[in-house]
Amino acid sequence: GESVGLHLPTLSVQEGDNSIINCAYSNSASDYFIWYKQESGKGPQFIIDIRSNMDKRQGQRVTVLLNKTVKHLSLQIAATQPGDSAVYFCAENMKGAQKLVFGQGTRLTINP
Amino acid sequence: GAVVSQHPSRVICKSGTSVKIECRSLDFQATTMFWYRQFPKQSLMLMATSNEGSKATYEQGVEKDKFLINHASLTLSTLTVTSAHPEDSSFYICSAREWGVGVAGANVLTFGAGSRLTVL
Repeated sequence: GESVGLHLPTLSVQEGDNSIINCAYSNSASDYFIWYKQESGKGPQFIIDIRSNMDKRQGQRVTVLLNKTVKHLSLQIAATQPGDSAVYFCAENMKGAQKLVFGQGTRLTINP
Repeated sequence: GAVVSQHPSRVICKSGTSVKIECRSLDFQATTMFWYRQFPKQSLMLMATSNEGSKATYEQGVEKDKFLINHASLTLSTLTVTSAHPEDSSFYICSAREWGVGVAGANVLTFGAGSRLTVL
């Protein structure tokens, strides 16, 4: 069935560098996407979201980019900090549906 | 922001017993809550959508008689794992929609801290 997937299961970056986490989705009916951060033993935390009528959205140190042509979503984290180490999930919401479908997840490790 | 509280955070039970997990929305009302399950190093899988005052909607492959969901009030949903077995050991996470977060009209879910179930 259709699903949300990720290219890289793990990613390590040096503290202070920028990181990019990617996500591929296959459901063309999805019109809304969210990035969540999950620390060990905790529930996911909202980071940033974007609608399908947008290409880019910025938050504090984070930027989400959406390329509908290739069905690709990315999360950019600027000037990474140790506290950014976590698993990051993208999630999609199909138009008219209530539920969110989560992607595989990428573990981001920030090296000191 | 809105807070979703889960209890207990950890529970260990014997095989064959039933375990109830509570999910509460604090300072906001949630007509709909969602229950997810997460195995180690895996993603969140939606189990069911809990609707206040009506029956839950289960995802394909989820046994409704094994995972009983009750959403009796606008701030409380419960998940009962009946006759638990070791394969039911998992991290169970509930969520509720928090309006006013994210882009306009967005379906942002606020998640609880999760409940780790270990069945011996």
